[in-house]
Amino acid sequence: DGGITQSPKYLFRKEGQNVTLSCEQNLNHDAMYWYRQDPGQGLRLIYYSQIVNDFQKGDIAEGYSVSREKKESFPLTVTSAQKNPTAFYLCASRDSGSGNTIYFGEGSWLTVV
Amino acid sequence: DQQVKQNSPSLSVQEGRISILNCDYTNSMFDYFLWYKKYPAEGPTFLISISSIKDKNEDGRFTVFLNKSAKHLSLHIVPSQPGDSAVYFCAAAIYSGTYKYIFGTGTRLKVLA
Repeated sequence: DGGITQSPKYLFRKEGQNVTLSCEQNLNHDAMYWYRQDPGQGLRLIYYSQIVNDFQKGDIAEGYSVSREKKESFPLTVTSAQKNPTAFYLCASRDSGSGNTIYFGEGSWLTVV
Repeated sequence: DQQVKQNSPSLSVQEGRISILNCDYTNSMFDYFLWYKKYPAEGPTFLISISSIKDKNEDGRFTVFLNKSAKHLSLHIVPSQPGDSAVYFCAAAIYSGTYKYIFGTGTRLKVLA
């Protein structure tokens, strides 16, 4: 079954702790993205990556970090420096060779307690 | 500075009638525009897209219109069905080494049976 898998679906974190959200895709897509959605708001771009070992900051990168060691994986770490980490996080990918549509995973809910 | 705006947070339409969702943008460098449908706690689902060199694209019940001079696009759903009730996001793609996607804040559509 091809697609984008995000895990965990729900995650609780204590203040001051780092947490890593997983995003794996088996679509052989080159580009991958992380977005954040807050209640009643749109999607805001955190980080994106065109190829392995390369990534760029989006509009709200502060307090987040990413890595792209493998084509299929793009994990997002929410660090303790992120002031308002409670949100719905969405990972997406795109086949840069054949289209301009990004496809999303099912999302991960992060709650800081 | 919000480059993609959806000024109507919500819209109610009677089943069988037309739903028109609007989106405005400010950056004339956007290459593609996309519409996504989203249910709560799920990832957005791609609906339809349009290149900046076109003014209309149609796919079944969904049609997207682009007015470049007005920097405005709209999604028409005809006929509207109760299953169309969801939040709709417009997105714009701009190329800077790879495509970066900017999303609007969404419009909640409710189709009344």
